[in-house]
Amino acid sequence: IVMTQTPLSLSVTLGQPASISCKSSQSLLHSDGNTFLYWYLQKAGQSPQLLMYDVSRRFSGVPDRFTGSGSGTDFTLKISRVEAEDVGVYYCMQGIQLPTFGQGTKVEIK
Amino acid sequence: EVQVVESGGTLVKPGQSLRLSCTASGFTFADYAMSWFRQAPGKGLEWVGFIRSEAHGGGTAEYAAPVKGRFTISRDDSKSIAYLQMNSLKIEDTGVYYCTEGTYGYWGQGTLVTVSS
Repeated sequence: IVMTQTPLSLSVTLGQPASISCKSSQSLLHSDGNTFLYWYLQKAGQSPQLLMYDVSRRFSGVPDRFTGSGSGTDFTLKISRVEAEDVGVYYCMQGIQLPTFGQGTKVEIK
Repeated sequence: EVQVVESGGTLVKPGQSLRLSCTASGFTFADYAMSWFRQAPGKGLEWVGFIRSEAHGGGTAEYAAPVKGRFTISRDDSKSIAYLQMNSLKIEDTGVYYCTEGTYGYWGQGTLVTVSS
């Protein structure tokens, strides 16, 4: 499954919203009703950290300014008010088949 | 607290072998699949392979196309360790290797593998 993220880079003013799109080449909806779409943030020099799983479920400790939405093949990660600590590269990943990632979206502060 | 710690990365020559370890704690290791990912310098994330639990998949493994036939994942449930045996290493296998538990939620700090002559 090919995952396509847009944009590939994003420059955001502190306190402003940001949005990243992720499209999959096949539906990520499993027959059990789950949709296996994950979002990660990788800060400079660090391991990836899970933000969202099953499209819209926040992982432990993830602030509620992060929201995941979408279904089927189209997904979006939104940050309601960007903070300095949100800088890094965001990846979407599908887990319905052997995992594949989007290219990554680099988020920086304007 | 769930933790996974990768180890074993080092500098090797093309064609050589290397075994990485992923030591887990804070969860019932035997109940979960374990996955390996990697990241080449300056590049994105790539899934390498995973091994299912004995209970939920007979301990079978799946691999990404670039490593199939060269890499083997195994597990020792008595020690809570997953292994990545890498044979016939190529320059393009260079990168940081990460392991995660079955939910993909907990990642280690990674271990660097450099394949260079």
